[in-house]
Amino acid sequence: NAGVTQTPKFQVLKTGQSMTLQCAQDMNHNSMYWYRQDPGMGLRLIYYSASEGTTDKGEVPNGYNVSRLNKREFSLRLESAAPSQTSVYFCASSEGVGSPDTQYFGPGTRLTVL
Amino acid sequence: RKEVEQDPGPFNVPEGATVAFNCTYSNSASQSFFWYRQDCRKEPKLLMSVYSSGNEDGRFTAQLNRASQYISLLIRDSKLSDSATYLCVVPPNSGYSTLTFGKGTMLLVSP
Repeated sequence: NAGVTQTPKFQVLKTGQSMTLQCAQDMNHNSMYWYRQDPGMGLRLIYYSASEGTTDKGEVPNGYNVSRLNKREFSLRLESAAPSQTSVYFCASSEGVGSPDTQYFGPGTRLTVL
Repeated sequence: RKEVEQDPGPFNVPEGATVAFNCTYSNSASQSFFWYRQDCRKEPKLLMSVYSSGNEDGRFTAQLNRASQYISLLIRDSKLSDSATYLCVVPPNSGYSTLTFGKGTMLLVSP
């Protein structure tokens, strides 16, 4: 099993450009998450999907949109990238059967917005 | 009070040393907490869960003090490979919701 995979691994954008970060998991997990990690700020939740067909805002949702395409895939879209969105983005998944449980993370996408 | 607080470190220790980290939390009545480990430029990975009765896994011991609202991680006989950032993770106060990650404590083990 590959676990949680993310594409791309690295990306450089210019201000105003758009892009979609892809995430897929093969563990049959119900819940998926998108985080960003910045130096000194720790992991901050952007959006999450408790189950297929639902999405909810996290701590820092502004400037992002998400799509839970199916049970396996959860994408994050930046419609108009800004330098403040330069960060490392992690996707994670968990069984999410009704109580907090272990989250499994993908390897991350390092995004730079110029 | 912030929800999860950790000393960012770094904690510099020699190989073989014993080192302990604490993490204070608020607004959680959960029965279990987590420690995650994050290597430089890698993703976080679960190190161990922390229960009311504590938890031990080899050289690693985690304790929960609900009265004082902190969890601890003790590493004995430190190895060079233990060098990483250790994230304290706190579940929500009730029901299903998302985890709150601390900013992490950096550990550097030197020869």
